[in-house]
Amino acid sequence: DAGVIQSPRHEVTEMGQEVTLRCKPISGHDYLFWYRQTMMRGLELLIYFNNNVPIDDSGMPEDRFSAKMPNASFSTLKIQPSEPRDSAVYFCASSLTWAGTKNIQYFGAGTRLSVL
Amino acid sequence: GEDVEQSLFLSVREGDSSVINCTYTDSSSTYLYWYKQEPGAGLQLLTYIFSNMDMKQDQRLTVLLNKKDKHLSLRIADTQTGDSAIYFCAERANQAGTALIFGKGTTLSVSS
Repeated sequence: DAGVIQSPRHEVTEMGQEVTLRCKPISGHDYLFWYRQTMMRGLELLIYFNNNVPIDDSGMPEDRFSAKMPNASFSTLKIQPSEPRDSAVYFCASSLTWAGTKNIQYFGAGTRLSVL
Repeated sequence: GEDVEQSLFLSVREGDSSVINCTYTDSSSTYLYWYKQEPGAGLQLLTYIFSNMDMKQDQRLTVLLNKKDKHLSLRIADTQTGDSAIYFCAERANQAGTALIFGKGTTLSVSS
């Protein structure tokens, strides 16, 4: 398997623009996670899905952020409108949960977002 | 609430041992994890330990778990320059879910 695939790897946009980050989880995995990493706050869990259903979105910073998982092989994280303080690296991770898998999460390479 | 604490930086010389420490708060954690992040890359699982174990060894890596003190450590023997990275400690958030709580990461710098 190619692992968790995120696109784009880098995104530079201007304040106020809409940004869409994409993620393809590992085939067969039933959990998908979105994280944000900054120097100040470290790695923060934004939202996670189980079988395409959002389970916990309490980490989503505000209404400007939304995430969807229309099918088992694709998820998006959207920021509209974007602000400079949204600049961070956004990671997607997936895991397979059944007895014995130990809930190991596999991470994508991340999308580095810069909002000017 | 749940929280995972780590020191932010560690600097060692090549060939020395590195010990990265972590404290966690959720006593019901069943698995604890160490992830490694190299520059410009995502996190990669390094090793994990089940809560009924005190120690786990995997080649140059030794994980020690003190459940009483909720303390986890990662020892890297014969540290190499390629070990320079950020190391994250993580615990599972709760029994029902699979979300992990990560520490802020310890940046390991190895000098030759």
